[in-house]
Amino acid sequence: DAKTTQPPSMDCAEGRAANLPCNHSTISGNEYVYWYRQIHSQGPQYIIHGLKNNETNEMASLIITEDRKSSTLILPHATLRDTAVYYCIVRLIKAAGNKLTFGGGTRVLVKP
Amino acid sequence: KAGVTQTPRYLIKTRGQQVTLSCSPISGHRSVSWYQQTPGQGLQFLFEYFSETQRNKGNFPGRFSGRQFSNSRSEMNVSTLELGDSALYLCASSLGGGSGGVPPQYFGPGTRLLVL
Repeated sequence: DAKTTQPPSMDCAEGRAANLPCNHSTISGNEYVYWYRQIHSQGPQYIIHGLKNNETNEMASLIITEDRKSSTLILPHATLRDTAVYYCIVRLIKAAGNKLTFGGGTRVLVKP
Repeated sequence: KAGVTQTPRYLIKTRGQQVTLSCSPISGHRSVSWYQQTPGQGLQFLFEYFSETQRNKGNFPGRFSGRQFSNSRSEMNVSTLELGDSALYLCASSLGGGSGGVPPQYFGPGTRLLVL
């Protein structure tokens, strides 16, 4: 699976949009981008995933650049409960199994 | 639908003992994966079971083992515990994956193991 690079930490203001970048410059055409988050002392939570088109669900939006070398997770109106570590992961479309390789992630602190 | 459940939630053991952790996946999910999380190493993949067979294995010693039952419930066992095995052990379930794409995994709350 392709390696991802994320900033180690970022702050954002409550009520504002949080834009979390992820670089995956070695991504191949048959790899998805997945985002998970982990709130302190809980299990990781699936947020969203995409291949090449932008995706949106009730939690967030995922914007993938046209060359697919980077993506941005957008939390439209951050709340204090969005404080967590956010992980960007790249997975093969036809992976033999369900192994997730977690990097260091981005520690997001939402401030009042 | 009920989420992934793990038991016990907390456990204290001493060096040399063994431990068995249990995971019940989301109903209908056939894949169960196990992860270890420590402050130093982060989240690391242990192994995955699908239809009672181990499908993937991470880089852990043979003291770490697992199994899956016909109802998809899974257990992992750690024998001859070491201090370094103190960690949060997470279980995740998914529909399966493979030729149909890679569905997301849904994690349980974890079992926090402390080895003294």
